[in-house]
Amino acid sequence: AQSVAQPEDQVKVAEGNPLTVKCTYSVSGNPYLFWYVQYPNRGLQFLLKYITGDNLVKGSYGFEAEFNKSQTSFHLKKPSALVSDSALYFCAVRDITSGYSTLTFGKGTMLLVSP
Amino acid sequence: NAGVTQTPKFQVLKTGQSMTLQCAQDMNHEYMSWYRQDPGMGLRLIHYSVGAGITDQGEVPNGYNVSRSTTEDFPLRLLSAAPSQTSVYFCASSYSTQGYEQYFGPGTRLTVT
Repeated sequence: AQSVAQPEDQVKVAEGNPLTVKCTYSVSGNPYLFWYVQYPNRGLQFLLKYITGDNLVKGSYGFEAEFNKSQTSFHLKKPSALVSDSALYFCAVRDITSGYSTLTFGKGTMLLVSP
Repeated sequence: NAGVTQTPKFQVLKTGQSMTLQCAQDMNHEYMSWYRQDPGMGLRLIHYSVGAGITDQGEVPNGYNVSRSTTEDFPLRLLSAAPSQTSVYFCASSYSTQGYEQYFGPGTRLTVT
């Protein structure tokens, strides 16, 4: 079975400071990893993904994430937060060795960026 | 290119009523799925389809039916609504099930009284 943990329900940072939203995963094989963002009363939007290759993945809106196989983590980062980054962030994983496997989401982390 | 569309946006049902949530995509995606979002529980997969005529159950399928007669449409049917089905429902699609990201619809907020 595959699973995702987002250990923080909420992350607060001040505008201009770096931000990190944590994600750890568990799969029996190798993972595909994704980050999505949800703004209030909207659907989820894709931010970035790790499939293979470079462990540092760059995505939309200046976000990046680092795949760490030994720690089974895929933390989302941004060097300088904006107030407009305030939203709900979801990490998701798919086990690529499981055929038509499904995507499993974490419970989400609310990011609050103060002016 | 409208992406993934869902109707209705809001719905109130009485316990025991049935209804169909509509989902359509115009990206020729093979993979479509339905999730429900509840506070503190993230997104949970209800049903999914890897192509027309093929559907399978997700994590929380009880009380819901799906069918996939065309590539474009993937309706979700609530057979006999219960208050536990009060939730926000999202439809999503992707090119395939492997390394491709999913595109989400705007959601349907359902309240069952």
